[in-house]
Amino acid sequence: AQSVTQPDIHITVSEGASLELRCNYSYGATPYLFWYVQSPGQGLQLLLKYFSGDTLVQGIKGFEAEFKRSQSSFNLRKPSVHWSDAAEYFCAVGASAGNMLTFGGGTRLMVKP
Amino acid sequence: EPEVTQTPSHQVTQMGQEVILRCVPISNHLYFYWYRQILGQKVEFLVSFYNNEISEKSEIFDDQFSVERPDGSNFTLKIRSTKLEDSAMYFCASRGLAGPGELFFGEGSRLTVL
Repeated sequence: AQSVTQPDIHITVSEGASLELRCNYSYGATPYLFWYVQSPGQGLQLLLKYFSGDTLVQGIKGFEAEFKRSQSSFNLRKPSVHWSDAAEYFCAVGASAGNMLTFGGGTRLMVKP
Repeated sequence: EPEVTQTPSHQVTQMGQEVILRCVPISNHLYFYWYRQILGQKVEFLVSFYNNEISEKSEIFDDQFSVERPDGSNFTLKIRSTKLEDSAMYFCASRGLAGPGELFFGEGSRLTVL
């Protein structure tokens, strides 16, 4: 069965600092990988996705993520965090083309002024 | 920008009551989903729906749950007899054929069972 682990429950960074959110997955074949963001009172918004090809994927709002098969990781990065990035971030893995995503537990990001 | 809309945003109900959560997916989407998130826990898959039938469901989706697409626009989740442990945020999602895996989520319906 597939699973996703986000080791960091909470992360606090200063505005303007760089950010990396960790995600490790477990799946036997090549996974479909996603990062979603959830702002307070909002639904889940897709930041980026990886299906195949270039292992460094670019997303919205200046985010990127790198798929590392050898480490079973799909970490999310941003070079300079803005206060509006404060939210909860979820990594997810899908086994097939679109059905049943398995989510990690989420990482809550706080941004200090 | 098209979006998935859900109603109600918050519902409080007594244990044992029936609840219907409603969703209007993006109009040209064909795949529909319900997920839930119990407070402080992971987002969990409940069910997927395509071509007027369930295509996949999790072990959470037992006989107390049902889904329906009663008309061309709504997609509903019914819980027949609510339990305390059904208290959660329920998310509806949809996707079109062109975007495998790219689910578009609604803002969620918070269900509180007393």
